[in-house]
Amino acid sequence: DSGVTQTPKHLITATGQRVTLRCSPRSGDLSVYWYQQSLDQGLQFLIQYYNGEERAKGNILERFSAQQFPDLHSELNLSSLELGDSALYFCASSEQAGYGNSPLHFGNGTRLTVT
Amino acid sequence: DQQVKQNSPSLSVQEGRISILNCDYTNSMFDYFLWYKKYPAEGPTFLISISSIKDKNEDGRFTVFLNKSAKHLSLHIVPSQPGDSAVYFCAANPTYNNNDMRFGAGTRLTVKP
Repeated sequence: DSGVTQTPKHLITATGQRVTLRCSPRSGDLSVYWYQQSLDQGLQFLIQYYNGEERAKGNILERFSAQQFPDLHSELNLSSLELGDSALYFCASSEQAGYGNSPLHFGNGTRLTVT
Repeated sequence: DQQVKQNSPSLSVQEGRISILNCDYTNSMFDYFLWYKKYPAEGPTFLISISSIKDKNEDGRFTVFLNKSAKHLSLHIVPSQPGDSAVYFCAANPTYNNNDMRFGAGTRLTVKP
């Protein structure tokens, strides 16, 4: 158990809809990262928050947004969903603002299926 | 932009033998390298890492080798066990932006009893 909790585990929705994925980081971790894994692809970095502030952006679409709340949990909002958004979405946390020599701790992911 | 590449999507080995998983990278600014293991329906879990100041790091049955001149790293598992069957991701972290960890596409390892 990594200590990172993601909900829901599965999500099925229709094109054009909006969904929210939730992540609670490991106790004591201030950084939260969001990754997308499409079929047979590696993990694509979307966005990072550190202690409530956006710290880094990766390949995140404009239709996607995220935030980190004062209790350090984070939400990833996906809107105007397209079929190609179907993927596994992972949240990870770490103690530090940057990766440095601190490995990430991943949740079990949310599988999003857009029909 | 595939800065971290795992060219073998799958690998099958016999129990007790050595498993060698390979990873190549293109960005010479990467200075920290990690391997993650992922079981079905679970998130990736950290396995082992190596800093660019070293060329080898060992942890039990797992050893990671780094060849900076070739921009290549490998993970050796000796002896392989059926429980090692999983997808292994190679990851690298650049010095100029340590918020930008790049992952390979993964190699699915199957260890046959």
